[in-house]
Amino acid sequence: EADIYQTPRYLVIGTGKKITLECSQTMGHDKMYWYQQDPGMELHLIHYSYGVNSTEKGDLSSESTVSRIRTEHFPLTLESARPSHTSQYLCASSEYRGGGETQYFGPGTRLLVL
Amino acid sequence: TQLLEQSPQFLSIQEGENLTVYCNSSSVFSSLQWYRQEPGEGPVLLVTVVTGGEVKKLKRLTFQFGDARKDSSLHITAAQPGDTGLYLCAGVWGNTGKLIFGQGTTLQVKP
Repeated sequence: EADIYQTPRYLVIGTGKKITLECSQTMGHDKMYWYQQDPGMELHLIHYSYGVNSTEKGDLSSESTVSRIRTEHFPLTLESARPSHTSQYLCASSEYRGGGETQYFGPGTRLLVL
Repeated sequence: TQLLEQSPQFLSIQEGENLTVYCNSSSVFSSLQWYRQEPGEGPVLLVTVVTGGEVKKLKRLTFQFGDARKDSSLHITAAQPGDTGLYLCAGVWGNTGKLIFGQGTTLQVKP
């Protein structure tokens, strides 16, 4: 059973506000990821980390930033939210098993920027 | 350009029917995964296929990896309303852990 948590689950916020989406995992995984997903659509990788103090931008350009100061914690920050940032944000961590990296996803944060 | 093409994108069927979802790419992957996602939740891994030509079964679900490791299919036998959800295929490149997702197939099984 995966233990990966995201808060908040839902967030409605005004344009220009700074927000931080929290993601924590208790599995001790080194690799963690942030994805952006519009309803019923594919996931786009926006950030990933291979361990503490390691962060890289993903395939989809994003104005958000991430940090990885502790293994279990991988927060995502938007300095100035805009309506174009409205989406679902999914956090994941992974381990190698069964012939490939298995990713475990959190429940997601659904963000609405007004 | 979509690296992984899933088809169909939407499927609405009656309980008891069979269905197949396809995932195609021009790229070769070290492995390919299938996830199922329910509304308001994150995707959950169903299976990882690694070897070209591999077939894996998970109860009424059968997964196949193409011989050239570029495509995969998911077949569901006697679909049930509980199978309703978004099915996502994802290609894995090397040991990076990074996944490339297809657009997803939204499946609705009506009782």
